[in-house]
Amino acid sequence: NAGVTQTPKFQVLKTGQSMTLQCAQDMNHEYMSWYRQDPGMGLRLIHYSVGAGITDQGEVPNGYNVSRSTTEDFPLRLLSAAPSQTSVYFCASRSGANEKLFFGSGTQLSVL
Amino acid sequence: GIQVEQSPPDLILQEGANSTLRCNFSDSVNNLQWFHQNPWGQLINLFYIPSGTKQNGRLSATTVATERYSLLYISSSQTTDSGVYFCALSNAGNNRKLIWGLGTSLAVNP
Repeated sequence: NAGVTQTPKFQVLKTGQSMTLQCAQDMNHEYMSWYRQDPGMGLRLIHYSVGAGITDQGEVPNGYNVSRSTTEDFPLRLLSAAPSQTSVYFCASRSGANEKLFFGSGTQLSVL
Repeated sequence: GIQVEQSPPDLILQEGANSTLRCNFSDSVNNLQWFHQNPWGQLINLFYIPSGTKQNGRLSATTVATERYSLLYISSSQTTDSGVYFCALSNAGNNRKLIWGLGTSLAVNP
């Protein structure tokens, strides 16, 4: 099993550009989530989903959109990139609320 | 909401030493997990441990839910144990989101 797969691993954007970070899991997990990690601030939840067609906001949702059309995929869209969105982004999944969480390898995003 | 505090924030060890990392929380939990983020940024789930004790090789974890803390023990530390250790948890009132501590940064010197 591949587990949780994120692409791309690195990305540089200019302010105002849009892009989509891809996340896919092959474990048939219902729960999927996106985090950002900034120095000294730990992991902060952006958006999450508890199943196909169901999404909700986390702590820092502004500037990001998500959708969950299938169980496997949970893309994160940056609508108009800003320097404040420079960060490392992690996708994660778990089979249920009280189950182990598994992470992708991360995407390092720089917005100039 | 539930609060999480990890200690110590930083720890430096010589290879072969033992250490204990602590995670305190402010309310009852039904989900508590420990993670290791290695120096390359990869996040690995070490334990799912809302209560009780588990062991995996040189690592073990204990959660005392009634006292609202969890401990991660690392014995005979190796340089590959370096990185940041996070605890994350949730309770029955809001189990869709995990609340994260700020982590303990561990450096193991040869």
